[in-house]
Amino acid sequence: EDKVVQSPLSLVVHEGDTVTLNCSYEVTNFRSLLWYKQEKKAPTFLFMLTSSGIEKKSGRLSSILDKKELFSILNITATQTGDSAVYLCAVVFTSGTYKYIFGTGTRLKVLA
Amino acid sequence: EAQVTQNPRYLITVTGKKLTVTCSQNMNHEYMSWYRQDPGLGLRQIYYSMNVEVTDKGDVPEGYKVSRKEKRNFPLILESPSPNQTSLYFCASSPSTGPYEQYFGPGTRLTVT
Repeated sequence: EDKVVQSPLSLVVHEGDTVTLNCSYEVTNFRSLLWYKQEKKAPTFLFMLTSSGIEKKSGRLSSILDKKELFSILNITATQTGDSAVYLCAVVFTSGTYKYIFGTGTRLKVLA
Repeated sequence: EAQVTQNPRYLITVTGKKLTVTCSQNMNHEYMSWYRQDPGLGLRQIYYSMNVEVTDKGDVPEGYKVSRKEKRNFPLILESPSPNQTSLYFCASSPSTGPYEQYFGPGTRLTVT
């Protein structure tokens, strides 16, 4: 069965801390992995990863994919209260057509 | 402004009363998709469409119908809604039939009593 598992389910940190969010997957015909941020509304796109070992960066956020071990991590350094959100991982795979499977998300709360 | 729009944003209805949630995108995207989001279950794909007149089932298609007669529109139809379809629904689109990032609409919160 195709699945995406995120950990931890929730996390509470203080401003300035660094956090690492995990996403592991088991799918056939993997094509790409995406990270989204969701703050009480529609998810917004963060990163798409298709190749192992290549880090994507955007400001304090970075992500990397390991296609051999079937996981990805999302790092957030120097966290701010505005980083509080649910972070979603999604995997795109093909079964003739492209399908997306989302993990249940990691809820991050950053305290001032 | 490039966007995905959904209507209505909020809907309370009764069991068995047919309803349609509309979705429209102005980005000329080929791929469109519907998701439902429930606490503890995350986003689950209901139906998706690779292009006009091409639709396919996602993970939770039971009780839903879709159509794709025009590239920009992808309505979600609940022929006979039931309380277990109470959920937050998102429409999304992506630029191509490849594995690209999806752009999400604002969501429709549906309550079936």
